[in-house]
Amino acid sequence: DTGVSQNPRHKITKRGQNVTFRCDPISEHNRLYWYRQTLGQGPEFLTYFQNEAQLEKSRLLSDRFSAERPKGSFSTLEIQRTEQGDSAMYLCASSMGNTQYFGPGTRLTVL
Amino acid sequence: DQQVKQNSPSLSVQEGRISILNCDYTNSMFDYFLWYKKYPAEGPTFLISISSIKDKNEDGRFTVFLNKSAKHLSLHIVPSQPGDSAVYFCAASGRRDDKIIFGKGTRLHILP
Repeated sequence: DTGVSQNPRHKITKRGQNVTFRCDPISEHNRLYWYRQTLGQGPEFLTYFQNEAQLEKSRLLSDRFSAERPKGSFSTLEIQRTEQGDSAMYLCASSMGNTQYFGPGTRLTVL
Repeated sequence: DQQVKQNSPSLSVQEGRISILNCDYTNSMFDYFLWYKKYPAEGPTFLISISSIKDKNEDGRFTVFLNKSAKHLSLHIVPSQPGDSAVYFCAASGRRDDKIIFGKGTRLHILP
């Protein structure tokens, strides 16, 4: 088991462009979470899935953000029409219903 | 409004001594508390957790204490080692499988 993986690790984009991140959870983990971390802050919850069902979304997740987990395995997080305020580290975590294990994150920079 | 507060942005401790990191929370519905450790350019790594029905949990050099009446928890690291230098996040959730609410973190420096 190689842990939670995220791709890409870094993404630089221009304002207004769309970006998509991928998260591969630990095998057989049925829960998958997305968090966002900005400088000087702790991670903030965005959304989570149990299998393929998206069970909760934070108010932080504006209409420009969409997350999917189509087959209950990997997940994607898409940000449309990126803004400079979207610049952050996007973290994915997975669990079997107890401890959440985090991936290395995707650092997004919006120019 | 911050539900999990870590009031010390940084802490320096001599190698071999005890490191004590503190955390306060405001939401009495929190039932599960965790500590994560984070190195630069990596995701948070789970360290230790405690359920609200306990007041202490120990794992090797790491011990977490929970004082529910004071809504306070602390992480003790004994003895502190150079590899312990990192940012430590206190976190809480309503259930083990619920979303986690994190504090802002405390940067721990272990001095040689």
